[in-house]
Amino acid sequence: AQSVTQLDSQVPVFEEAPVELRCNYSSSVSVYLFWYVQYPNQGLQLLLKYLSGSTLVKGINGFEAEFNKSQTSFHLRKPSVHISDTAEYFCAVSGFSGGYNKLIFGAGTRLAVHP
Amino acid sequence: DAGITQSPRHKVTETGTPVTLRCHQTENHRYMYWYRQDPGHGLRLIHYSYGVKDTDKGEVSDGYSVSRSKTEDFLLTLESATSSQTSVYFCAISDTNDYNSPLHFGNGTRLTVT
Repeated sequence: AQSVTQLDSQVPVFEEAPVELRCNYSSSVSVYLFWYVQYPNQGLQLLLKYLSGSTLVKGINGFEAEFNKSQTSFHLRKPSVHISDTAEYFCAVSGFSGGYNKLIFGAGTRLAVHP
Repeated sequence: DAGITQSPRHKVTETGTPVTLRCHQTENHRYMYWYRQDPGHGLRLIHYSYGVKDTDKGEVSDGYSVSRSKTEDFLLTLESATSSQTSVYFCAISDTNDYNSPLHFGNGTRLTVT
């Protein structure tokens, strides 16, 4: 069975500081990993995805994530955050189960960027 | 943004009443999904559809039913709403069933059951 654990429910950070949002996964099969972002009162938007190849994945808005198979992690990073990055971030793992592409989400990490 | 419209955006209803939420897409995608979002749980799949009149259960399907009579519309029905169904409901679509196919989400419906 697959699962996703986001290690921090909330991350406060000052503007222009770096940030890392942590995600660990478990899976018995090949994994496809995603980060989604949810701005207030909106649906989720795809930030980036890891399918195969380079373990460093670059996404939109200056975010990047590193796939680490030995540590079963897929942490999200940004070197300098902006106020507009305040949002909730969801890590997700994809796998095929019961006839459909099953996307398992973590509980989310709320990033609060302060001036 | 993918053309996904959820209606209503907000609804307050009483325990025991039926409620139907609508998802309408203009992308002609084959796969449609209903999720609920609750604090501490992330998003959990309620039901999904892989074509017109083809639906199946997700991980939290008890108390919910769905219908898809047209490619563009996917309805979620709570036959008799309970307070535990107070949540934010999201519709999502995808054009394939591949492992690497991302989902595109609507803006959600906030349902309160009193």
